[in-house]
Amino acid sequence: KAGVTQTPRYLIKTRGQQVTLSCSPISGHRSVSWYQQTPGQGLQFLFEYFSETQRNKGNFPGRFSGRQFSNSRSEMNVSTLELGDSALYLCASRDERVLMNTEAFFGQGTRLTVV
Amino acid sequence: AQSVAQPEDQVNVAEGNPLTVKCTYSVSGNPYLFWYVQYPNRGLQFLLKYITGDNLVKGSYGFEAEFNKSQTSFHLKKPSALVSDSALYFCAVKGGSSNTGKLIFGQGTTLQVKP
Repeated sequence: KAGVTQTPRYLIKTRGQQVTLSCSPISGHRSVSWYQQTPGQGLQFLFEYFSETQRNKGNFPGRFSGRQFSNSRSEMNVSTLELGDSALYLCASRDERVLMNTEAFFGQGTRLTVV
Repeated sequence: AQSVAQPEDQVNVAEGNPLTVKCTYSVSGNPYLFWYVQYPNRGLQFLLKYITGDNLVKGSYGFEAEFNKSQTSFHLKKPSALVSDSALYFCAVKGGSSNTGKLIFGQGTTLQVKP
């Protein structure tokens, strides 16, 4: 079974631009979460989607948004990029069909550099 | 509010020696606890979880973790360390209601295993 796939792996953008990152979850997983990882702040939760609905949201400005499609694939968008948005963005999927399947499986991440 | 603390930024151990990476948590209600490992420029790999049951949880690659409710700890252990275990380790707790995939992570502990 294929793992969580994130594209692109690396991205360089200029301040003020916007960016869209993509995540394809493990087949059958309908829960998709996004995290931002930086050296200073560590791993921070951005948002979670389940069945095309945002179920949870972290403490990030409105420039950060996301969505989920009917096939469970998810995208996150960052508008008006700032230098501080440079980070590794991680996507994770979870299988909620079995109650005890609480662990999340992560993709390789997208390394975003804002210059 | 849920939180996780990893008191050591780095743990150094000689190959073949036992290792312990410490984690303490603060949650309301029953904790769902996880350990993940991250290799350079990679996503997070799931190692093990505690949901309920035995306090000693066995996971991938020979790792285990001991849940201690009275000390609110969930330390990661391995009887005999390998050089290839050198990586960044994260402890996490499931945040919010049971109907969420949100994870709250500790700051991470770098494990260095020397030959």
